[in-house]
Order: sequence, then C-alpha cells, then structure tokens
Amino acid sequence: AQKITQTQPGMFVQEKEAVTLDCTYDTSDQSYGLFWYKQPSSGEMIFLIYQGSYDEQNATEGRYSLNFQKARKSANLVISASQLGDSAMYFCAMREDNAGNNRKLIWGLGTSLAVNP
Amino acid sequence: EPEVTQTPSHQVTQMGQEVILRCVPISNHLYFYWYRQILGQKVEFLVSFYNNEISEKSEIFDDQFSVERPDGSNFTLKIRSTKLEDSAMYFCASRRNLILAGVFDEQFFGPGTRLTVL
Repeated sequence: AQKITQTQPGMFVQEKEAVTLDCTYDTSDQSYGLFWYKQPSSGEMIFLIYQGSYDEQNATEGRYSLNFQKARKSANLVISASQLGDSAMYFCAMREDNAGNNRKLIWGLGTSLAVNP
Repeated sequence: EPEVTQTPSHQVTQMGQEVILRCVPISNHLYFYWYRQILGQKVEFLVSFYNNEISEKSEIFDDQFSVERPDGSNFTLKIRSTKLEDSAMYFCASRRNLILAGVFDEQFFGPGTRLTVL
C-alpha cells in the first residue's frame, strides 16, 4: 500500500501568489515525522520543512509552512509569495519512528511546480 | 555549515562494469543511507548503515550491491555488474542518530551522483 500520496503531478502558480502542494500519508505508528524536500532541475535534494507527529503547532520556515491535519493524515506544504526560483519538484516524505532506529524515509511521487512570471 | 559530499557528480559506465559511488557524510553523524531515484520517479530507499554494518536493506539492494565504510570518513556504494536499469541518481544521506522518538533528526542529503549505464 502506498504510504505517501501526492496527487498533483504538476502545479502552476503565478509569481507572488501562494500555492498548496498536497500530501497524505498512511501509518499506524503514533510517532513519525513528515518532511518536504525540493529538487531543482540540477538534481540535489534540498530539505525544506519538518513536522513531528507530536508537534501541536504547524511548522513554518520562512515562506514555507506545513498544514498538518493529523486526523486526516495530511501534511500539505504551503509556499507563500511564490518566486521563479521555486520552480522545482517537491517531495513529501515520512519517517516512521517505531520501525526500529533505522528511520529510513518513505517518499511520495512528487509534484512538479512551475512558477509563471 | 557541514554538508554531505558525493563523488563523482556524474558517472558513465558500460553495462557489466563495476562502479563505486563515494560519499563523505557529516563528521559526527552515525547513520548513513543510500537512496536511488530513477529519472522521473520517486526516491527509493536502498540501504542504511550503522555501527559498521547494514541495519536495513530494501529488496532492490540485491547481491550486486554492497556498502562499505573503509576508513571512518568515506561511505561507498559498490555495484558489481551494472545493468541498464541501474541508471539513476544515487543519493547518500547521513544523520546524527538522536534516538528519542518524535525528536527532529534530519537526514542530510548529498548532491547526488548521476549514474548512466550504457
């Protein structure tokens, strides 16, 4: 069963507008972590934001915020005031803490975001 | 700021050849990972390594693959006899290993090695 679902293969947004990238997850663990990474065309994987399952507040990092709805098992990424440099692939990933100490990341298929000038 | 480095950035090889992908994790990190991303697809976990041994490997990580930490700083992924389907971006990652559940313990990723098998 797919554990991380990103239903938007591609998204467009106008420069300076906000955009929400969807991510839903499936786990039976009580303790887990959710991550968003950005992958520009150059290929490197850039960490954006993290949300722990026990965190009561939504995570924020500059223009990035994570809309965490635990009951719905969703962890959507919100990018405010989009910039041309935000054009990239965005991956949602999950770490299940109870699967031993390994803490490998399980990844979604990604969303390709294009910011239009 | 400390970072994970990977060499080479791009490797082209002939099918059947052996390749070694190299990674230098962050110095005080204890857990190391290799992930693979076939072009246009999602990132897949290959293997994790802790205390000088494999702690977990995926079904992708068959006998053609091996990992090693030969000198306390490098972390290598060897593919013994490359196949066309091994063409992918290979990411190394490391983390410090804070074992408290729910505590932020980020994996730091290297820039990746793009492997092309011809």
